Amino acid sequence: GQQLNQSPQSMFIQEGEDVSMNCTSSSIFNTWLWYKQDPGEGPVLLIALYKAGELTSNGRLTAQFGITRKDSFLNISASIPSDVGIYFCAGVKTSYDKVIFGPGTSLSVIP
Amino acid sequence: EPEVTQTPSHQVTQMGQEVILRCVPISNHLYFYWYRQILGQKVEFLVSFYNNEISEKSEIFDDQFSVERPDGSNFTLKIRSTKLEDSAMYFCASRQRGTWGYTFGSGTRLTVV
Repeated sequence: GQQLNQSPQSMFIQEGEDVSMNCTSSSIFNTWLWYKQDPGEGPVLLIALYKAGELTSNGRLTAQFGITRKDSFLNISASIPSDVGIYFCAGVKTSYDKVIFGPGTSLSVIP
Repeated sequence: EPEVTQTPSHQVTQMGQEVILRCVPISNHLYFYWYRQILGQKVEFLVSFYNNEISEKSEIFDDQFSVERPDGSNFTLKIRSTKLEDSAMYFCASRQRGTWGYTFGSGTRLTVV
């Protein structure tokens, strides 16, 4: 099936540090999405990427759609305590396909 | 900010009972989805729905599951005879045509005992 892998699985960082996380796949995706999930809540869309090589920012967040279309990364600069949560990458293969989620990266920020 | 609304937020049911999870998608969205998340695991696709019919479903979405859009606003997921392993968070999502930025609801936590 369509599998997405995320690394790292979890990270513990100091407030103010920058964060980088990756998402990879063995198959090509045409759209990459990054979501954040807080405990007890549904995932919230952070960034959507639609073109290979695209680099998009949303405040302190920056995400890139890999040139091979098999990967994406998310960077968070100057982390703050409210960045705590699980970050999911998600991909879409075709216009009529569903969104496939990765297993998530759990981020903890130490004040 | 428009929201996807899900009710109830938490449902406890006896094994073998039927449950209906309810969702009100964003009003101008055309594509609707149900996902589930077993505690501590990833978000898994169940079913997509467009133009009043199922467009795709996963292996999880077996004959015990059904979806319906009974009127212009509600989108429901029914589990006919619940099993212990159906315990999970169930998320409804919707999107507009031309974008893959789903909006998710806050979920229904289903506990089967």
